[in-house]
Amino acid sequence: AQTVTQSQPEMSVQEAETVTLSCTYDTSESNYYLFWYKQPPSRQMILVIRQEAYKQQNATENRFSVNFQKAAKSFSLKISDSQLGDTAMYFCAFMTPNDYKLSFGAGTTVTVRA
Amino acid sequence: EADIYQTPRYLVIGTGKKITLECSQTMGHDKMYWYQQDPGMELHLIHYSYGVNSTEKGDLSSESTVSRIRTEHFPLTLESARPSHTSQYLCASSEWVGAENTGELFFGEGSRLTVL
Repeated sequence: AQTVTQSQPEMSVQEAETVTLSCTYDTSESNYYLFWYKQPPSRQMILVIRQEAYKQQNATENRFSVNFQKAAKSFSLKISDSQLGDTAMYFCAFMTPNDYKLSFGAGTTVTVRA
Repeated sequence: EADIYQTPRYLVIGTGKKITLECSQTMGHDKMYWYQQDPGMELHLIHYSYGVNSTEKGDLSSESTVSRIRTEHFPLTLESARPSHTSQYLCASSEWVGAENTGELFFGEGSRLTVL
């Protein structure tokens, strides 16, 4: 079974600053996908960024980027130039193409301060 | 905005009542999921389906049941609600991973159930 660990329950960042969220996972699979999802207060969960394990290049989506370290089984998310709208709970998630079931970490609550 | 809808958004009900949480998607996705999430906590998979007439139990044991008679519809039913069922239930759908599909799950807004 896959496990996903997010060791930071809460993080606070000043507007326009950078924050990095950590995520580690445990798997014996070689082919898998990693995701960061954002859940704003009382709103739908949405995908932030996705990484395929076979790709060495780190994924980037505008102000969001990841640092994927396959050997260390680490998948951190960096939010640059933080905005008030980034305030949300962020979940790291793992999926294999064998079963397409998404396993989530416990989440990190990010608060962006004005 | 994802085309996946859940009703009701909020439900307060007494112990012993039967409830059905509705989930519909208009994207034609084969795969659908139900996750249970306590406030501020992680999501736990309780049911999933890979297509019509296909349903499986997830990693977290649940007394709820699901059905998949139509591709777009994946309702969750509790025959006799109890206070321990109080939680938020999130429905999601996705397409198979392929050249054009990322495996992304699209989530509904959730159904928050309170059993008194």
